[in-house]
Amino acid sequence: AQKITQTQPGMFVQEKEAVTLDCTYDTSDPSYGLFWYKQPSSGEMIFLIYQGSYDQQNATEGRYSLNFQKARKSANLVISASQLGDSAMYFCAMREGNQAGTALIFGKGTTLSVSS
Amino acid sequence: NAGVMQNPRHLVRRRGQEARLRCSPMKGHSHVYWYRQLPEEGLKFMVYLQKENIIDESGMPKERFSAEFPKEGPSILRIQQVVRGDSAAYFCASSWDRATDTQYFGPGTRLTVL
Repeated sequence: AQKITQTQPGMFVQEKEAVTLDCTYDTSDPSYGLFWYKQPSSGEMIFLIYQGSYDQQNATEGRYSLNFQKARKSANLVISASQLGDSAMYFCAMREGNQAGTALIFGKGTTLSVSS
Repeated sequence: NAGVMQNPRHLVRRRGQEARLRCSPMKGHSHVYWYRQLPEEGLKFMVYLQKENIIDESGMPKERFSAEFPKEGPSILRIQQVVRGDSAAYFCASSWDRATDTQYFGPGTRLTVL
């Protein structure tokens, strides 16, 4: 079974609209971390937002928020007020356990296209 | 504070040659990770190192691939006798030493094997 599942290969949104990118995860470890990264066409990986499994509140970073539903094992990324520069590939990733130096497990990604 | 640096950004090798990829972590970071991204795929973990130690190489192919993080200088990912299937983007990430620390990625090295 896949540890991280991103079911939307591609998403389309108009400027200034909000968009939700889906991510579900699978782990039996009670302690884990969830991350979202953005990969624009230039290829670099940009960290966006982090949610710890014990965090009581959903994480927010500017226009990014993480809709964390622990019982459903989902960690969807919400981008508010989309901009043309948001067009990129978005990856959800998980770190299992709470040890420093644990590798991240990535989903296959979702391509977001923002149009004017 | 400079981010994670990788060089070269692009590397072309012919089959059978060696590829050396370099990574300098963010200042103050003591953990280095290497990941590989095949076309249209997410990143796959290869190896995790601290200074002078390989901590976890469970994602590294058993042959031709090696990694080091010496006391001085950058971390090196070395691929000997490259084959076409090694063509990919190789990313280095670094983190500090706390359990919840985020891994910050470098810009990647795109390896093309002719």
